[in-house]
Amino acid sequence: KQEVTQIPAALSVPEGENLVLNCSFTDSAIYNLQWFRQDPGKGLTSLLLIQSSQREQTSGRLNASLDKSSGRSTLYIAASQPGDSATYLCAVSTGGYNKLIFGAGTRLAVHP
Amino acid sequence: EPEVTQTPSHQVTQMGQEVILRCVPISNHLYFYWYRQILGQKVEFLVSFYNNEISEKSEIFDDQFSVERPDGSNFTLKIRSTKLEDSAMYFCASSSGGRATGELFFGEGSRLTVL
Repeated sequence: KQEVTQIPAALSVPEGENLVLNCSFTDSAIYNLQWFRQDPGKGLTSLLLIQSSQREQTSGRLNASLDKSSGRSTLYIAASQPGDSATYLCAVSTGGYNKLIFGAGTRLAVHP
Repeated sequence: EPEVTQTPSHQVTQMGQEVILRCVPISNHLYFYWYRQILGQKVEFLVSFYNNEISEKSEIFDDQFSVERPDGSNFTLKIRSTKLEDSAMYFCASSSGGRATGELFFGEGSRLTVL
């Protein structure tokens, strides 16, 4: 059974720092991996999608990497800002019709 | 920018009552989903829907749950007889991509509180 783990569970940093959020999954037979942002009480905003054949994806200050064989992905946030404060969720697609298995998230606080 | 919209944003109901949550997926998307998040827990898959039928469902999605695409634009989740443990945030999502490869776009969620 696929399990997704995110480390750390929470992170508090000063503005301007570069950050790395970690995601690991137990079954490497995934089709894709998606990173989301969730603000308190809100929906999920898609940040990056990495297909299983890809090694990384970039969008602005965000870069996500995927090492499928070792069951790991990292989300790199450059030059963090207070507006980046949110919970970041990692989810893997286990095939079928894109059923996503989610991690518990990393709660990020960026203080001025 | 196209988005998934959900109504109501919050619904309070009594145990045993029927609830319908509504979603309008992104217009050219073909794959539709319901997920839920119990407070403090992980987001979990409920059901996927493609070509007017359920394509996959989780163990949570028992006979009390049903989904429908009644008019080609709306996508609904019905809970026939709500239980206290159905209290959660319910998220609708849609995707244009093919099986297992598409990016999912989520709505803002409908918070269901069962008393």
